[in-house]
Amino acid sequence: TQLLEQSPQFLSIQEGENLTVYCNSSSVFSSLQWYRQEPGEGPVLLVTVVTGGEVKKLKRLTFQFGDARKDSSLHITAAQTGDTGLYLCAGGNSGNTPLVFGKGTRLSVIA
Amino acid sequence: GAGVSQTPSNKVTEKGKYVELRCDPISGHTALYWYRQSLGQGPEFLIYFQGTGAADDSGLPNDRFFAVRPEGSVSTLKIQRTERGDSAVYLCASSPSGSRGTYEQYFGPGTRLTVT
Repeated sequence: TQLLEQSPQFLSIQEGENLTVYCNSSSVFSSLQWYRQEPGEGPVLLVTVVTGGEVKKLKRLTFQFGDARKDSSLHITAAQTGDTGLYLCAGGNSGNTPLVFGKGTRLSVIA
Repeated sequence: GAGVSQTPSNKVTEKGKYVELRCDPISGHTALYWYRQSLGQGPEFLIYFQGTGAADDSGLPNDRFFAVRPEGSVSTLKIQRTERGDSAVYLCASSPSGSRGTYEQYFGPGTRLTVT
């Protein structure tokens, strides 16, 4: 069984601070996807990383896929209150197979 | 274009009743997934369709759960003899198919099921 562990589980920071959340597994995945979910809504896809060592930037968000494709990180620079939400990582295998999700990191950015 | 839609958005039912949850995927997406998300957890896989057929139903918790996708588009998740432990948000996602190796999944807003 493939599992993904996310840390920290909860994070509360002041606006303007930087933060990193982690997603780790003992299994190799073909891809890692990051989603953000707000209360009452479904997860919204932020990024997909597929190559070991890959780094992708989305404005103030930087995503990295580990060299061995077993782990990933999300770094947010100068957090804003609009970044508040549940951040989920999900591992994918080849083709259309279902995703394996972590439990998420609940981020709260305080003004 | 339109995203994945799910109806109803909320469903309250009594223990023992039957419920149906509907998912309309993004037009043209051949793969459709059902996940269940309990409070404080990430989504957990239930069943996945490729076209009209269930390609993988290994996540269905027991035989009270069943899903169909008769025309390869809309899907219905059916739960018989509901139990309080079935209370959760049921999420549907769809994904395109093609020759690429990895396909991104796009989620609907979910149906919040509460069994009293």
